[in-house]
Amino acid sequence: NAGVMQNPRHLVRRRGQEARLRCSPMKGHSHVYWYRQLPEEGLKFMVYLQKENIIDESGMPKERFSAEFPKEGPSILRIQQVVRGDSAAYFCASSHRDRGDVGEAFFGQGTRLTVV
Amino acid sequence: KQEVTQIPAALSVPEGENLVLNCSFTDSAIYNLQWFRQDPGKGLTSLLLIQSSQREQTSGRLNASLDKSSGRSTLYIAASQPGDSATYLCAVRGNTPLVFGKGTRLSVIA
Repeated sequence: NAGVMQNPRHLVRRRGQEARLRCSPMKGHSHVYWYRQLPEEGLKFMVYLQKENIIDESGMPKERFSAEFPKEGPSILRIQQVVRGDSAAYFCASSHRDRGDVGEAFFGQGTRLTVV
Repeated sequence: KQEVTQIPAALSVPEGENLVLNCSFTDSAIYNLQWFRQDPGKGLTSLLLIQSSQREQTSGRLNASLDKSSGRSTLYIAASQPGDSATYLCAVRGNTPLVFGKGTRLSVIA
C-alpha cells in the first residue's frame, strides 16, 4: 500500500507563472488536506477536500489559490500568477474517516516550490 | 481558535539520555492528537496517534501521554540515539483539521 504520493517533489516557477501540485492519497482514503510550511514556521492548514467537494477552505488565500479533488485522479493545488512569497513546502495529507472516528493522518513528502 | 505550543523549541542532549517533549493546546475539545517526526527537507512521519478517550500510546522507545482536560501532551523518548535527531511536531484534531505546533528541534549528540 503506497503512501501519500506528491509530485513533483521540487518545482521552480518564474513570477507570474502557474504552479500545479498533485497529491494522490493512500488507497482507501477519501479525505485530503493541504498544508503549507514556510521556512522556520509551522505547518499552516490551507484546505480540506473530499471527493468532488471542498469541505473547509478557511486557510486558503482568497486570490490565486484553488484546489480540487475530482472523482477520478489526484487532488490538485493550483497557484496562479505565483509571487516570491509563495515559495514554500506544500504538504498533502490523507485520512480515512468512518462515521465520526477520526483516523490517523498520513503525509506525503511534500512539493518544494521555488519562485524566481 | 485552537493554538498549539511546543516547549522547548530546541533541545540538545547526549546519546543515551531519556527526554521529554511538551505540547499544550488551548481547546480541549479534540478528537485526537498526533506526534510526528520531520527530518530536514523531508515529509512528516506519524509516530503516535492518541484518541481523545485514551491516556497514552507506546511504540518502541516512544511513549506519548494525553491529558485532555488540562490541554497537555508529552512525548517521552527513552535511551535517545543520534538517529532520533529531527524536529518533532505535535498536532491536534478537533472540529477543524490538524492544528500544528511549531515543533521541537532535537539534536542527540554521539
